[in-house]
Amino acid sequence: DAKTTQPPSMDCAEGRAANLPCNHSTISGNEYVYWYRQIHSQGPQYIIHGLKNNETNEMASLIITEDRKSSTLILPHATLRDTAVYYCIVSSSGNTGKLIFGQGTTLQVKP
Amino acid sequence: EAGVTQSPTHLIKTRGQQVTLRCSPISGHTSVYWYQQALGLGLQFLLWYDEGEERNRGNFPPRFSGRQFPNYSSELNVNALELEDSALYLCASSSLRGLYGYTFGSGTRLTVV
Repeated sequence: DAKTTQPPSMDCAEGRAANLPCNHSTISGNEYVYWYRQIHSQGPQYIIHGLKNNETNEMASLIITEDRKSSTLILPHATLRDTAVYYCIVSSSGNTGKLIFGQGTTLQVKP
Repeated sequence: EAGVTQSPTHLIKTRGQQVTLRCSPISGHTSVYWYQQALGLGLQFLLWYDEGEERNRGNFPPRFSGRQFPNYSSELNVNALELEDSALYLCASSSLRGLYGYTFGSGTRLTVV
């Protein structure tokens, strides 16, 4: 599975958009980009995933570059409850069942 | 719809003892995954069960084992507990082998003293 690089921490003002970047330059053609978040001491929560196209759901939007070497998770209107560690993972987990969690980005949403 | 449920939520064991953790997946999910998250560390993949079979295991010693039952629930067993086994043990489930993401439970906090 390809590795990812994320900034260790980011701040965002409440009500503003939070844009979390992720580099995955060694991603393979059959690997998806997944985003999860973990609020302190809870199980990780699935946010969104994509292969090539941009994706949007009720929680967030995922923008994947055309060369698929990087992506951005967008939380359109961050709230204090969005403070968490955000993990970007690339995986063809259907083959191994394994998600490789890096250190993630700690997003602090401030009032 | 009930989420992934794990039991117990907390437990304390003595070094050398054995422990069994339990996980019930979301209805309709056939894959169950186990992860370990030691304090201050990232999530480490332990085991993957699908359709009752162990499909993959992470880099953990054989004293970490488990099984999946016909109803797709799962147990994680840890023998000969060591202090460093103290961690949050997370179970996740999925359909279609995780293609559409995993749903995690809230975990079991194991403390070994």
